[in-house]
Amino acid sequence: LAKTTQPISMDSYEGQEVNITCSHNNIATNDYITWYQQFPSQGPRFIIQGYKTKVTNEVASLFIPADRKSSTLSLPRVSLSDTAVYYCLVGRRDYGQNFVFGPGTRLSVLP
Amino acid sequence: GAVVSQHPSRVICKSGTSVKIECRSLDFQATTMFWYRQFPKQSLMLMATSNEGSKATYEQGVEKDKFLINHASLTLSTLTVTSAHPEDSSFYICSARVEYNEQFFGPGTRLTVL
Repeated sequence: LAKTTQPISMDSYEGQEVNITCSHNNIATNDYITWYQQFPSQGPRFIIQGYKTKVTNEVASLFIPADRKSSTLSLPRVSLSDTAVYYCLVGRRDYGQNFVFGPGTRLSVLP
Repeated sequence: GAVVSQHPSRVICKSGTSVKIECRSLDFQATTMFWYRQFPKQSLMLMATSNEGSKATYEQGVEKDKFLINHASLTLSTLTVTSAHPEDSSFYICSARVEYNEQFFGPGTRLTVL
């Protein structure tokens, strides 16, 4: 399983765009990149998933360069409610494939 | 997205007793279900993977006789913590997935063993 590296914590202010980068140098050909958000005492919530280039949904964008050794989660105009831990996971989507959670990035959005 | 529920959301028990936690996929049939535990300020740690039609696969260091997992159907998995002790107090989270799709997580169960 590809190991991921993320910043432990980040601070931002309301209304700013936040970019969280994840390194996954050993990503395999069949691996996808998935980001989850977790609030205290809640289960992780799926944010976005991608394989290459750019993926955008109503919540975030995911940028993946051609070599796929890193990815960047972009949160536009964050609010206080975006304060959470964000996890980057890498793995196949095959039957039974599990994802290994790293320590995640603790994002604090300040007023 | 798909919905996964857990029951109970919170449980307090005495040391030595057993506790059962249910995980249900409400609007889809899950090929695979996972059980995690999470200690305060730490990341999720995978305990076991349960595939439909087969026994659970436990991660290294997780006692299968202590943490009994039953994947009863494509929509239900249960985790039983047997002879619970205070060190088993943790936040237990399940997830479910269909092949070639993302995992959907339950809301978690806070277990406190007195």
